[in-house]
Amino acid sequence: EAGVTQFPSHSVIEKGQTVTLRCDPISGHDNLYWYRRVMGKEIKFLLHFVKESKQDESGMPNNRFLAERTGGTYSTLKVQPAELEDSGVYFCASSPLGGAGGYTFGSGTRLTVV
Amino acid sequence: QQQVKQSPQSLIVQKGGISIINCAYENTAFDYFPWYQQFPGKGPALLIAIRPDVSEKKEGRFTISFNKSAKQFSLHIMDSQPGDSATYFCAARAGGSYIPTFGRGTSLIVHP
Repeated sequence: EAGVTQFPSHSVIEKGQTVTLRCDPISGHDNLYWYRRVMGKEIKFLLHFVKESKQDESGMPNNRFLAERTGGTYSTLKVQPAELEDSGVYFCASSPLGGAGGYTFGSGTRLTVV
Repeated sequence: QQQVKQSPQSLIVQKGGISIINCAYENTAFDYFPWYQQFPGKGPALLIAIRPDVSEKKEGRFTISFNKSAKQFSLHIMDSQPGDSATYFCAARAGGSYIPTFGRGTSLIVHP
């Protein structure tokens, strides 16, 4: 079974540019989550999709962040325009419906904004 | 406000030693306490988890100790091995929620 796939694995962009991160969950997993870890800090929740619907987006920092999951399969997280404080590792995780404990994380995208 | 406090931030032990990582929480609604292990370049992976109806759970060399009255839980790694070198995150989740709250992580290095 393929795991959660994220790309790119690394991205370096200049302040003010736009970046789009992609996450492909495990096939059949209806729950998809985005998290972010700033260096040395905790892994912070950003948002939760159930299929194509946003179940909880309380962790999204501001309106520069836009997440989509068209068709309930893969998801994208766009940051526009990027700021220095957006740097960090962005993790995606997925779990089956009803499987709150069965998280599988992707390897993350390390975003550096310079 | 940090809801789950984890310490130490980094830990160095010798092969064969015991590694101990501690976490504390405030929210009494938390009822599921997982630990995640993360190797460089990989995502966190569930290592072991406990619910507050038991005070200890052991899986191989990994043991969670849970103190409900003190609102503390800890991970003990017995006979630590160089392959255990990783970042460990404690977490806590409230019933009915899909979203765990994570600690800041502990970077463990086990010297051969």
